Amino acid sequence: EVQLVESGGGLVQPGGSLRLSCAASGFSFSTYYMSWVRQAPGKGLEWVANIKPDGSEKFYVDSVKGRFTISRDNAKNSLYLQMNSLRAEDTAVYYCARVNVWGSYRFDYWGQGILVTVSS
Amino acid sequence: EIVLTQSPGTLSLSPGERATLSCRASQSVSSSYLAWYQQKPGQAPRLLMYGASSRATGIPDRFSGSGSGTDFTLTIRRLEPEDFAVYYCQLYGSSPMYTFGQGTKLEIK
Repeated sequence: EVQLVESGGGLVQPGGSLRLSCAASGFSFSTYYMSWVRQAPGKGLEWVANIKPDGSEKFYVDSVKGRFTISRDNAKNSLYLQMNSLRAEDTAVYYCARVNVWGSYRFDYWGQGILVTVSS
Repeated sequence: EIVLTQSPGTLSLSPGERATLSCRASQSVSSSYLAWYQQKPGQAPRLLMYGASSRATGIPDRFSGSGSGTDFTLTIRRLEPEDFAVYYCQLYGSSPMYTFGQGTKLEIK
């Protein structure tokens, strides 16, 4: 069974940093693209970042470029999101999602989400 | 940047009725890259359809998807009580890499 479990969220002051983790199990983690997707309170979904299976390429939405860094440790079956210079508008539930690229590009499994609140 | 516009914003129907949800892209896109998700309150999104018309694993056949070019549709043939949720379409593109529509809330009438 595919499982994705996020951790590391919480309350942080504007300008602060936070590191999210996502523990993956039930599939060959090292062969899949992975993404972070967020959802602000009461709002829709927004893709944040994507990383290739070997970690060699990373992509970001414009609003987080230069502030967020996606990374992975295939030996630990783990995905990370380092978030620096956090702003109030980064407040959201952050989901770790597996990307299935065979035949199409879609998020076929999601974690339960972790809340990040940026507030003083 | 391609924008996805979903309509209606809210759809009020009764169990047993047919639901038709629309997703319109601001320019022509490949249907291979269009997906649909269902999200219930307090839960993560769930993949329903990919490649515009292929059902994801475990999705009942009352869900179907269609469309091409700029216009895509998610149809739920006979609504069950568990189908009332928010639905999002999503596109794989270039910049940003993935785009979501703003969502359609399907509520019980």
